[in-house]
Amino acid sequence: DAKTTQPPSMDCAEGRAANLPCNHSTISGNEYVYWYRQIHSQGPQYIIHGLKNNETNEMASLIITEDRKSSTLILPHATLRDTAVYYCIVRGDSGGSNYKLTFGKGTLLTVNP
Amino acid sequence: GAVVSQHPSRVICKSGTSVKIECRSLDFQATTMFWYRQFPKKSLMLMATSNEGSKATYEQGVEKDKFLINHASLTLSTLTVTSAHPEDSSFYICSARTSGGMRGTDTQYFGPGTRLTVL
Repeated sequence: DAKTTQPPSMDCAEGRAANLPCNHSTISGNEYVYWYRQIHSQGPQYIIHGLKNNETNEMASLIITEDRKSSTLILPHATLRDTAVYYCIVRGDSGGSNYKLTFGKGTLLTVNP
Repeated sequence: GAVVSQHPSRVICKSGTSVKIECRSLDFQATTMFWYRQFPKKSLMLMATSNEGSKATYEQGVEKDKFLINHASLTLSTLTVTSAHPEDSSFYICSARTSGGMRGTDTQYFGPGTRLTVL
């Protein structure tokens, strides 16, 4: 079972920031938070991941709370092409069952013109 | 990000035939690859983990004799759906994991998927 909770859907206006929340209250100390997205009929695309510090790359920013029980993925200027299902996944950094990426239902982000 | 390719992107076959899907990591070596299946309006389900040079590890409920996996090199894994039936029709997606030097920095990159339709 997925160890994260995400809202099933969100809407965002084109050009505005999209803030996608994720709860992972049972996250362990060695587990990372990964974000992927899946555009319809394509394979998932890696976005970003982090352990406890906030992270930023060319696609997005990841804000992780100090207690690590939740995080927010931020797309600073959403475009229509960002419409996709966004998956928040926790994954361990060692062998074993928690090293696999287990996909939940994700959040369907719809960017509106 | 790293690039993973799959071939074919789409295949239609008759019931009872076998279908082979290739997954390649194009710009990195992957000791571990994964095969997922996704039914319409559902999330990805992990089928098996494939390690180069060894037998694949299958998830519970996945028939290893039906879904044959071969990971013969560091850049190629194949999934063969044997004696395919209509219920095997699905979107099959492979993933390859980079090997990172630092803990936690290895990442899984996904292929574009293969749409299998069994008539």
